[in-house]
Amino acid sequence: DVKVTQSSRYLVKRTGEKVFLECVQDMDHENMFWYRQDPGLGLRLIYFSYDVKMKEKGDIPEGYSVSREKKERFSLILESASTNQTSMYLCASLGGVREQFFGPGTRLTVL
Amino acid sequence: QQPVQSPQAVILREGEDAVINCSSSKALYSVHWYRQKHGEAPVFLMILLKGGEQMRHEKISASFNEKKQQSSLYLTASQLSYSGTYFCGTEGYAGGTSYGKLTFGQGTILTVHP
Repeated sequence: DVKVTQSSRYLVKRTGEKVFLECVQDMDHENMFWYRQDPGLGLRLIYFSYDVKMKEKGDIPEGYSVSREKKERFSLILESASTNQTSMYLCASLGGVREQFFGPGTRLTVL
Repeated sequence: QQPVQSPQAVILREGEDAVINCSSSKALYSVHWYRQKHGEAPVFLMILLKGGEQMRHEKISASFNEKKQQSSLYLTASQLSYSGTYFCGTEGYAGGTSYGKLTFGQGTILTVHP
């Protein structure tokens, strides 16, 4: 079974802190994605990566950056966390039939 | 621009049917459907490709009308296990590869009661 894991299920940070969210997949997938999920807004794409060190902005990249140094690991970085970044963050990787496999999510609260 | 799903919420009794619609303002290459149960990650149900056939997953089927840029998810004889939030994800034409990038709708909450 494909496994996508995320470093934390719950995270509480203070405004202005630098925050790292990590995602690891074990199926050698090329493409990986970071979404945020908010009630009534569905899943919105923040960034995606189609190869090591290759990344592209999604629909809502402002305030975020990403890093992909190894194929299995895709990190989302909040350079200076703000309260409006309180959300559920989901990572996904793309399988061979174009299905996305999602991790369990990280619920981030910024105080 | 996000596709629009309707209805926003559906309440059913076991055995009843439901239809969830997904409508886009852009030309679509494919439509994907996912289900997310409470507290869990979204799980892939099916993909519908332009020019492809209607798909099925257990008693759930879906169709894709390319001309209208719409897809519908049909849940037949619903079971308690169908409860959750259903998302459509649309893949447009990017002039090259889209890398599997999806734009998701806002979700439809389906509740099935005994």
